[in-house]
Amino acid sequence: LAKTTQPISMDSYEGQEVNITCSHNNIATNDYITWYQQFPSQGPRFIIQGYKTKVTNEVASLFIPADRKSSTLSLPRVSLSDTAVYYCLVGDIAPSGGSYIPTFGRGTSLIVHP
Amino acid sequence: EADIYQTPRYLVIGTGKKITLECSQTMGHDKMYWYQQDPGMELHLIHYSYGVNSTEKGDLSSESTVSRIRTEHFPLTLESARPSHTSQYLCASRDSYEQYFGPGTRLTVT
Repeated sequence: LAKTTQPISMDSYEGQEVNITCSHNNIATNDYITWYQQFPSQGPRFIIQGYKTKVTNEVASLFIPADRKSSTLSLPRVSLSDTAVYYCLVGDIAPSGGSYIPTFGRGTSLIVHP
Repeated sequence: EADIYQTPRYLVIGTGKKITLECSQTMGHDKMYWYQQDPGMELHLIHYSYGVNSTEKGDLSSESTVSRIRTEHFPLTLESARPSHTSQYLCASRDSYEQYFGPGTRLTVT
């Protein structure tokens, strides 16, 4: 199981772009990278997922370099409501990857200031 | 919006009581999970299931048990609640793409 490392906390201000990097040096060939967001007293919520290069949706972008040993979640123009914990998960999500157990570490606590 | 439900949302119970936390999903997912999370801390996997009649223990040692008799239902039972069980319990199901979490049950054992 690929181990992930991400900063414990980050601070930003409204309107800024926030980039959270996750290291996963032993990522396997079939592994995907998935990011979740969690607000206090709620369960995590899926944000974005990717395998390589760049993925963008209406919420965020995910940048994955060619060696796939790290990934960066980019949140454009954050607001106060983006204050949350962000988790990076790595694993073989395919139906054939039946042994994949989603494991959440400490995540990155992002605080957005006015 | 995810169709996964947990009841009760909040529960305060005395030591020694037997309790069952309910979790149901209407998405037909085979894979389901229970996590335990204390405020500001990481999620710890306590049980998971790959389908009907399949249950496994997770990384965190837990005195709870689970059952999976129907695809949509994955209840968690504490035979004898203790103050150390005070925590938030999160249920989730997964398709091939992402996990969907319920709203959680906040349990307090006095």
